[in-house]
Amino acid sequence: NAGVMQNPRHLVRRRGQEARLRCSPMKGHSHVYWYRQLPEEGLKFMVYLQKENIIDESGMPKERFSAEFPKEGPSILRIQQVVRGDSAAYFCASSPIGDMEEQYFGPGTRLTVT
Amino acid sequence: SQQGEEDPQALSIQEGENATMNCSYKTSINNLQWYRQNSGRGLVHLILIRSNEREKHSGRLRVTLDTSKKSSSLLITASRAADTASYFCATPHSNSGYALNFGKGTSLLVTP
Repeated sequence: NAGVMQNPRHLVRRRGQEARLRCSPMKGHSHVYWYRQLPEEGLKFMVYLQKENIIDESGMPKERFSAEFPKEGPSILRIQQVVRGDSAAYFCASSPIGDMEEQYFGPGTRLTVT
Repeated sequence: SQQGEEDPQALSIQEGENATMNCSYKTSINNLQWYRQNSGRGLVHLILIRSNEREKHSGRLRVTLDTSKKSSSLLITASRAADTASYFCATPHSNSGYALNFGKGTSLLVTP
């Protein structure tokens, strides 16, 4: 059973470009969580999704950030018009149910904005 | 905020020694988890302790929870170079019933 997959692992964007981060949950998992880790910081919750539904986006910046988890395919975290402050590691976690006790993390995508 | 804060920020020990890391949090919780993150990698779940538990063991790991002091500790016994990593405590997110709050972590270096 493959773990949580994220791609790309590293992404470099210039200011103003768009960044798309993909997350494929573990097989059988229908709940996805996105977290952001700034340098020297812990992970910060961004958004929680189930298939085709955003359940909780209380941690998402109000502008430029969006997330989706379609019926088919990976979950996508989209950042429009990136700025240098968006440079961070973005981690995806998945769980079989909406349960904070059993979240499995992917390896992360490291976004660098130049 | 329910965010946990780890202490110390960094810890350097020799192989064979024990490593103790502490975590403090601010509001009532029903469980607390510890995760490990190797450099440049994702997080690996180590152990979960519930609010009605005071101590829990898993291999060379020992976790304690003191709800009256709102603190937890992670003890790694007989450390190995492979234990070198950052360690984070995680508490339930205050706004979301599903997500986790992480502290800034303790960076552990175990030298041979």
